Amino acid sequence: NAGVTQTPKFRILKIGQSMTLQCTQDMNHNYMYWYRQDPGMGLKLIYYSVGAGITDKGEVPNGYNVSRSTTEDFPLRLELAAPSQTSVYFCASSLAGSVAYEQYFGPGTRLTVT
Amino acid sequence: QKEVEQDPGPLSVPEGAIVSLNCTYSNSAFQYFMWYRQYSRKGPELLMYTYSSGNKEDGRFTAQVDKSSKYISLFIRDSQPSDSATYLCAMSLNSGNTPLVFGKGTRLSVIA
Repeated sequence: NAGVTQTPKFRILKIGQSMTLQCTQDMNHNYMYWYRQDPGMGLKLIYYSVGAGITDKGEVPNGYNVSRSTTEDFPLRLELAAPSQTSVYFCASSLAGSVAYEQYFGPGTRLTVT
Repeated sequence: QKEVEQDPGPLSVPEGAIVSLNCTYSNSAFQYFMWYRQYSRKGPELLMYTYSSGNKEDGRFTAQVDKSSKYISLFIRDSQPSDSATYLCAMSLNSGNTPLVFGKGTRLSVIA
């Protein structure tokens, strides 16, 4: 199992550009999450999904969109990138029914908006 | 008041020391408490979890939860340089699809 994979690893965007961060998991997990991590600020939830076709907002959804058409994939779309979106983005997944819903994280995407 | 407070450190200790990492929280409805470890430039990985109050031990690691004080701790005995990482506490209302609330993380360095 590859676990949770994210592409790209790094990206530099100009203000106003758009991009999609890709996330794929091969563990057949039904829950998937997107977080952003700013230096010294911990992880903040952007969006999450409890299954294909179902998504919900987290703590900081503004400026982002998601879709979940398959169990495996949960892409995060940035429209009109702003410098405030410079961050490290982590995708995670978990399996319903596990005792603590352990979340498995991908390696992250480092995004800089200039 | 933030929902979860965690001292960001950095914390530097000599090899072999006992390390104590702590978080406080404000929402008394939290039931599940976790500690994640994050190595530099990697994603977090689950280290330990506990349900409600009490202690849980796993090798050199002990997690404690005191719900009456809204305070959780992670102890690392005989710390090793390989324990150098950022430790994030996390908690949730239940084991369902309620998202986790994370602390800011404490950066630990264990010096050989």
